[in-house]
Amino acid sequence: GAVVSQHPSWVICKSGTSVKIECRSLDFQATTMFWYRQFPKQSLMLMATSNEGSKATYEQGVEKDKFLINHASLTLSTLTVTSAHPEDSSFYICSARNQIPARVENIQYFGAGTRLSVL
Amino acid sequence: GEDVEQSLFLSVREGDSSVINCTYTDSSSTYLYWYKQEPGAGLQLLTYIFSNMDMKQDQRLTVLLNKKDKHLSLRIADTQTGDSAIYFCAESMGYGNKLVFGAGTILRVKS
Repeated sequence: GAVVSQHPSWVICKSGTSVKIECRSLDFQATTMFWYRQFPKQSLMLMATSNEGSKATYEQGVEKDKFLINHASLTLSTLTVTSAHPEDSSFYICSARNQIPARVENIQYFGAGTRLSVL
Repeated sequence: GEDVEQSLFLSVREGDSSVINCTYTDSSSTYLYWYKQEPGAGLQLLTYIFSNMDMKQDQRLTVLLNKKDKHLSLRIADTQTGDSAIYFCAESMGYGNKLVFGAGTILRVKS
């Protein structure tokens, strides 16, 4: 159980285009999902916390207009990188927290990640 | 503030034990976690420990927590080549709070 699916796994796009990444919790409901960015050989940097039915909470320094997050259902959150540029190239990882029933352990289950390359 | 630090690299021989260390600064941490990341993949939760525990064992994995020194370790017994990966420790202040990750320790297992 507790499987998180992330799609696509790898995307190459031209500079100036927008890219959408999907994160799905397959066998549990997740009212909260998280989006991280990981640079090569570095740790995960939390970009934003996505709450079902409400606006995402962005970490300091993350442009909300650049990284659009939509969490329309209990099993799906999307991250759209708008007008992507080469500096947006990175590994993006989502995670989901099993909320029902609520668990005090605060365990996050991670997707396999999406490698974005902007040419 | 929150800060989690790990040693960057560990190399062991197959069959030996591996010990990966982590220190954290926030004494309010309630849960601490170990995640494994294989190349090009997401993070896999290995184990976690509640802050009022000293030790937790799960098959080949042993987690030791020294709350006084804010030190967490992960011991992998009988390390195998398949254990080669990056290991992240993370802390949480409890339900509803974000995870704070260390920079990761690269474990290389030599056959």
